[in-house]
Amino acid sequence: NAGVMQNPRHLVRRRGQEARLRCSPMKGHSHVYWYRQLPEEGLKFMVYLQKENIIDESGMPKERFSAEFPKEGPSILRIQQVVRGDSAAYFCASLGDSSNTEAFFGQGTRLTVV
Amino acid sequence: AQKITQTQPGMFVQEKEAVTLDCTYDTSDPSYGLFWYKQPSSGEMIFLIYQGSYDQQNATEGRYSLNFQKARKSANLVISASQLGDSAMYFCAMRELPPNNAGNMLTFGGGTRLMVKP
Repeated sequence: NAGVMQNPRHLVRRRGQEARLRCSPMKGHSHVYWYRQLPEEGLKFMVYLQKENIIDESGMPKERFSAEFPKEGPSILRIQQVVRGDSAAYFCASLGDSSNTEAFFGQGTRLTVV
Repeated sequence: AQKITQTQPGMFVQEKEAVTLDCTYDTSDPSYGLFWYKQPSSGEMIFLIYQGSYDQQNATEGRYSLNFQKARKSANLVISASQLGDSAMYFCAMRELPPNNAGNMLTFGGGTRLMVKP
């Protein structure tokens, strides 16, 4: 759904660099989820955030990965010291507070580590 | 713990025919939602249809319908009158819905690749 905005769409990083992925949820949505999709695989949950809070980060690697969703601005998924295995599509989804039926995804960021 | 299973890694269907994509789930929570998404080769995730565990009727959205069998814990997607543009990956997902409506994560199945033959 065009309402969830992710940028950049494509990101190339050399091994050891940092990657920052941004997600702006749909207007009025305060729940943000990040997922990772490896080639030819399904989406794997990474982290669930609400404004200024990490609710569930059970799917996120303990090292090098972090996420935030500040009071103002987009949610950021940050990967430090990237390695080739981090190459994947990273999707953000947002849900509304009042409805459980709206779960829309952004177009994803395709990270390539060279 | 949630679990979603899609047993068909790939399927073929003739154009204009109907096709059923299987999805079974496992949850101990009585309140949950079931979602289907389409992912074409361009990569975006397109929301197709939603079914709530307490919904009395099967969900329908145009050519998409959800065959919800709660006792069997299955939520199969039926696509009627297949079109060439339906060729894509299809993912089933589930989300438990706690009473406070705070929401939990969507858990995805492994996906089914549908190929529509002309």
